Amino acid sequence: GENVEQHPSTLSVQEGDSAVIKCTYSDSASNYFPWYKQELGKRPQLIIDIRSNVGEKKDQRIAVTLNKTAKHFSLHITETQPEDSAVYFCAASRSWGGGNKLTFGTGTQLKVEL
Amino acid sequence: DTAVSQTPKYLVTQMGNDKSIKCEQNLGHDTMYWYKQDSKKFLKIMFSYNNKELIINETVPNRFSPKSPDKAHLNLHINSLELGDSAVYFCASSQSGGQGAHFSGANVLTFGAGSRLTVL
Repeated sequence: GENVEQHPSTLSVQEGDSAVIKCTYSDSASNYFPWYKQELGKRPQLIIDIRSNVGEKKDQRIAVTLNKTAKHFSLHITETQPEDSAVYFCAASRSWGGGNKLTFGTGTQLKVEL
Repeated sequence: DTAVSQTPKYLVTQMGNDKSIKCEQNLGHDTMYWYKQDSKKFLKIMFSYNNKELIINETVPNRFSPKSPDKAHLNLHINSLELGDSAVYFCASSQSGGQGAHFSGANVLTFGAGSRLTVL
């Protein structure tokens, strides 16, 4: 089955700095890579995703890159703000009929300090 | 309108008891899931149903039994609760895209608010 590793487990940055979170996956057939943000006591929410036919995707201050050959993908947050503080999860799955089995990474606690 | 709603939000019970968590989605999705998030925040899939059919059943004790009366509902019943069952249980749904689908929206999970189960 798929195995997703995520680093670092905690990340502390100053407001305005950039934050990078990295994930690796094991199943070369995985083709869908979402990132979820979970604020304290809240549900995980999708912030950005990328599919294997794309190498990079950007949405305002958030970008994700994918290296299929190396089987790793990364989340980049620029100009961090206090409201970016949360736990971020990467995930990987294959597309298949009937839904998808997302395998999540272990999460990164991001703290943006003033 | 809440897209994925689950009840109860909090559940405190004694070891050995039986309890249920209910989930409903009004997004018209055809796939629903149960995820368990432990104290270390690790999110792990337990079950998935597509149009009332069980399609994912991870290595979960037999004490956990999901039931999907229709594609908008997925309930989780837990028998003989143990201390290690204490966790937050998240229901989620997605719109399946079919084999090899790549259209926008396929695979995206929408989570419920979670049900925090505490076993004493």
